[in-house]
Amino acid sequence: SYELTQPPSLSVSPGQTARITCSGDALPRQNAYWYQQMPGQAPLLLIYKDTTRASGIPERFSGSSSGTTVTLIISEVQPVDEADYYCQSGDSDSVVFGGGTKLTVL
Amino acid sequence: QVQLQESGPGLVQPSETLSLTCTVSGASISGSSWTWIRQPPGKGLEWVVTRYYTGNTKYNPSLKSRVTTSVDTSQNQISLNLISVTAADTAVYYCARGKLGMNPFYYYMAVWGKGTTVTVSS
Repeated sequence: SYELTQPPSLSVSPGQTARITCSGDALPRQNAYWYQQMPGQAPLLLIYKDTTRASGIPERFSGSSSGTTVTLIISEVQPVDEADYYCQSGDSDSVVFGGGTKLTVL
Repeated sequence: QVQLQESGPGLVQPSETLSLTCTVSGASISGSSWTWIRQPPGKGLEWVVTRYYTGNTKYNPSLKSRVTTSVDTSQNQISLNLISVTAADTAVYYCARGKLGMNPFYYYMAVWGKGTTVTVSS
């Protein structure tokens, strides 16, 4: 098993771009996925296979990958985007989640 | 539209067994992969177990000795049992339908239930 590391928190102003990183040694070999969790709700799939937006997800959400780091990019951040964001990866033997990043929209 | 609904007792006594059910509507559980995830109060997501559509099952190493999962195709349900629970098992438990691909491998949780809260306390 291995770890995925996310910053615990990130603050941005409305209209700015938020970049949430997720680092892990296996990420060059394994796909990464991103989930959004609003307070009191279940997680929602945003991005799969590093860069593909899930069905119904606004174009403001995108993903990128470079080496051992994947990044969730939220363009033109809105107050409604305030939530916890989790990355996930793994192989055929395990599922691994990052610790989560709390995005605050100031 | 696939929907998942977790259900369980809500309150479990320490050292007892936690038993949860995930009822699936809108799709057959056969031919799909299923994962249980939990989230302790105020904390992040923790993977519990994944059952691939092949029947092959993978466990979080920290929980493997206490966890079992099974499917009931007649009821279209997935179940989770966790034995010898302690307060550390207090969490919201989610079931999720996974999307699996091979060569190269990928697996992610495409659809989540709303979760069910389990408190371990006497």
